[in-house]
Amino acid sequence: GNSVTQMEGPVTLSEEAFLTINCTYTATGYPSLFWYVQYPGEGLQLLLKATKADDKGSNKGFEATYRKETTSFHLEKGSVQVSDSAVYFCALSERSNFGNEKLTFGTGTRLTIIP
Amino acid sequence: DARVTQTPRDKVTEMGQEVTMRCQPILGHNTVFWYRQTMMQGLELLAYFRNRAPLDDSGMPKDRFSAEMPDATLATLKIQPSEPRDSAVYFCASGFIGTNTGELFFGEGSRLTVL
Repeated sequence: GNSVTQMEGPVTLSEEAFLTINCTYTATGYPSLFWYVQYPGEGLQLLLKATKADDKGSNKGFEATYRKETTSFHLEKGSVQVSDSAVYFCALSERSNFGNEKLTFGTGTRLTIIP
Repeated sequence: DARVTQTPRDKVTEMGQEVTMRCQPILGHNTVFWYRQTMMQGLELLAYFRNRAPLDDSGMPKDRFSAEMPDATLATLKIQPSEPRDSAVYFCASGFIGTNTGELFFGEGSRLTVL
């Protein structure tokens, strides 16, 4: 079946540091890929997505590129802020004739940014 | 703003008691998901519905868990009898599947503690 493997946490960085959170996936077809973010005490919310190979998703300074050849979707940000402290989830969705079905999530990576 | 609403936000109960969690999905969304989040297992899909019909509940312990959608504005997740290992945060999420966006909107979660 489909699966998502993401970088073990927790990750602690200083403000303005460069961030990379690795994510690789296994899928039988052509999934869409997502990064969701969970702030303390809240539910998950979509951060960015990419629906086909070589697409780049971006939002709030975060970017991720859908790499089919390496089955990866690594999350990057050039300069992190304290407000980026959260748990980040990589996810994929199986595609069917009816559109995307359910999401399969990675285990999450807790990111803490210190001033 | 349209949002997914979950109740209760927090529930503490004793082993053996029945627990019912409720979710109001976003109006117009055709798919509702129940996820469970724990430190050990991460996010686990318990069940999901499309147009109120259950599509997959293979992630749910059938002997004690049940999920229903009595109408388009209400989804319920019931545990009877509850056990300490059910302690977790339960998330409801809704989306409109068919447009290939793959975006799910999550509620704030119901934190369950079974003593």
